[in-house]
Amino acid sequence: EPEVTQTPSHQVTQMGQEVILRCVPISNHLYFYWYRQILGQKVEFLVSFYNNEISEKSEIFDDQFSVERPDGSNFTLKIRSTKLEDSAMYFCASSIAASYNEQFFGPGTRLTVL
Amino acid sequence: QQQVKQSPQSLIVQKGGISIINCAYENTAFDYFPWYQQFPGKGPALLIAIRPDVSEKKEGRFTISFNKSAKQFSLHIMDSQPGDSATYFCAASDTGNQFYFGTGTSLTVIP
Repeated sequence: EPEVTQTPSHQVTQMGQEVILRCVPISNHLYFYWYRQILGQKVEFLVSFYNNEISEKSEIFDDQFSVERPDGSNFTLKIRSTKLEDSAMYFCASSIAASYNEQFFGPGTRLTVL
Repeated sequence: QQQVKQSPQSLIVQKGGISIINCAYENTAFDYFPWYQQFPGKGPALLIAIRPDVSEKKEGRFTISFNKSAKQFSLHIMDSQPGDSATYFCAASDTGNQFYFGTGTSLTVIP
């Protein structure tokens, strides 16, 4: 069964460093998403991406964040200068179509900022 | 601003019992309400979803009840099994893309 994969499973970084979280969405999916979950809190939407453009973003997704689809398979989330409060589980998701279609989630990357 | 409120935070149910998780929302523009199930070490997986044009949707042992006037929806798990032990998230969306999740309910089904 096709699945969304994410690497690394755990990333530890120093405050102020740049990190890139990687995702490989399901191959025939066209819509891609990033969510984050701070430990013990709810899952929060960050951004959705379609046709090489951001289609929606939340207020969390500020200038420190960027997304990219550098090739036909990967979808990345970059945090330019990490802060302690960026420590969270980051989930990538993909869907075959927009609006009311099932979003398939990856297993997540746990980011720890020291 | 908490868009979706979920309760209880944790739930313990005997095998064969009914598990009930409740969610409430404020934004009347929400028109898609999925429930996600998450096992440890895994990402959330869609369990069942409902649009507000129906008051109930059933898939196997899982039922969503939806009360549009009260702005509430709930997940009922009938004949709960130990394999149902997981964290359950309700969510809501007004665009079908950006989901607002509840805080999650940790369900434990005791054999």
